[in-house]
Amino acid sequence: GAVVSQHPSRVICKSGTSVKIECRSLDFQATTMFWYRQFPKQSLMLMATSNEGSKATYEQGVEKDKFLINHASLTLSTLTVTSAHPEDSSFYICSARRFGAFFGQGTRLTVV
Amino acid sequence: QKEVEQDPGPLSVPEGAIVSLNCTYSNSAFQYFMWYRQYSRKGPELLMYTYSSGNKEDGRFTAQVDKSSKYISLFIRDSQPSDSATYLCAMSGNAGNMLTFGGGTRLMVKP
Repeated sequence: GAVVSQHPSRVICKSGTSVKIECRSLDFQATTMFWYRQFPKQSLMLMATSNEGSKATYEQGVEKDKFLINHASLTLSTLTVTSAHPEDSSFYICSARRFGAFFGQGTRLTVV
Repeated sequence: QKEVEQDPGPLSVPEGAIVSLNCTYSNSAFQYFMWYRQYSRKGPELLMYTYSSGNKEDGRFTAQVDKSSKYISLFIRDSQPSDSATYLCAMSGNAGNMLTFGGGTRLMVKP
């Protein structure tokens, strides 16, 4: 099946710093990618829809200035968590659709 | 009421059993249905993808969609301990739209 690659898989950062997460569709072009957040033992929560060449669409309650999304090409979307705080610690997952939706491996962010 | 309902489990079965996982939904516009398996601290893995009503089989997995009842199922035959994971159903109205997920069912297959 189609492959979506997400990097890094794990990151620890200090409070106040910014972290960038990359999501790549390896064998298909994705005009739209999705970013999710997942808390332990809970389902995925959609944060935003990333659109190639245009602004991302954020879900209600998600701060667009804190979670910066850039979809500069048909195979790459990035999520930057700016001025990270401990409450931003979570599991972040991206996905892209090619018929079914394919997910990246996820990024575990820990802010200390 | 959530758009997609899924029993959280946990569901515990012995190795070799047939597992039945289900979701119900309320939005009649959903046409694309998916089942995912998610291991702890990993991204979801697409298991089955179906469009509209009907059955689809792939190895030990069978997906069923009954749009008239707004009910979808995933059957796992000859379950293995390695099948122990959380199973998520997901659906959408269009092929490119965002997915609406069930809450996930945690499955444990005991040797």
